[in-house]
Amino acid sequence: EPEVTQTPSHQVTQMGQEVILRCVPISNHLYFYWYRQILGQKVEFLVSFYNNEISEKSEIFDDQFSVERPDGSNFTLKIRSTKLEDSAMYFCASSFGGGNQPQHFGDGTRLSIL
Amino acid sequence: GNSVTQMEGPVTLSEEAFLTINCTYTATGYPSLFWYVQYPGEGLQLLLKATKADDKGSNKGFEATYRKETTSFHLEKGSVQVSDSAVYFCALSPQLAGNQFYFGTGTSLTVIP
Repeated sequence: EPEVTQTPSHQVTQMGQEVILRCVPISNHLYFYWYRQILGQKVEFLVSFYNNEISEKSEIFDDQFSVERPDGSNFTLKIRSTKLEDSAMYFCASSFGGGNQPQHFGDGTRLSIL
Repeated sequence: GNSVTQMEGPVTLSEEAFLTINCTYTATGYPSLFWYVQYPGEGLQLLLKATKADDKGSNKGFEATYRKETTSFHLEKGSVQVSDSAVYFCALSPQLAGNQFYFGTGTSLTVIP
């Protein structure tokens, strides 16, 4: 069964450094998402992406964050200048349609900011 | 606004016990409802879904019924197994508000032999 893959599984970065989290969505999917889960808290929506542009973003997704689909397969999340509070598990997801289509999630990248 | 409230965990059950994990929601419009499961070290996997009132989603012995009158989507299984040990997330997709899912806090289930 096709799956969403994320790399790396664990990223440790110094505060203030830039970090790029990578995702390969399911190949025929059209909608792509990033979520995060701070330890012990809810899974929170960050951003959705469709047709090479952001379709929706949350308040969390400020100017420090950006997303890109640099080629036909990868979908990346960049955090420009990391803060301690960015430490979380980041999940990539994709879906064939928007709205109420199920979203398929990767295994996540655990980001630790020191 | 849109939100999901899930039963607090952790939940510990003996094998073959009956499972209920409560989920209630607040939403505008007519949302779709989902249950996801996260096994240790893995991502969120879709367990079941229901897209309209009175729909029942089912998969792997788990069931949940979309109850509009009580704004609930409780997860049930008649006889749990050790392999069901995982974290379960209730999620809502608001039909009118775009693509994002709203998740509950997750309920950790441990099944002991």
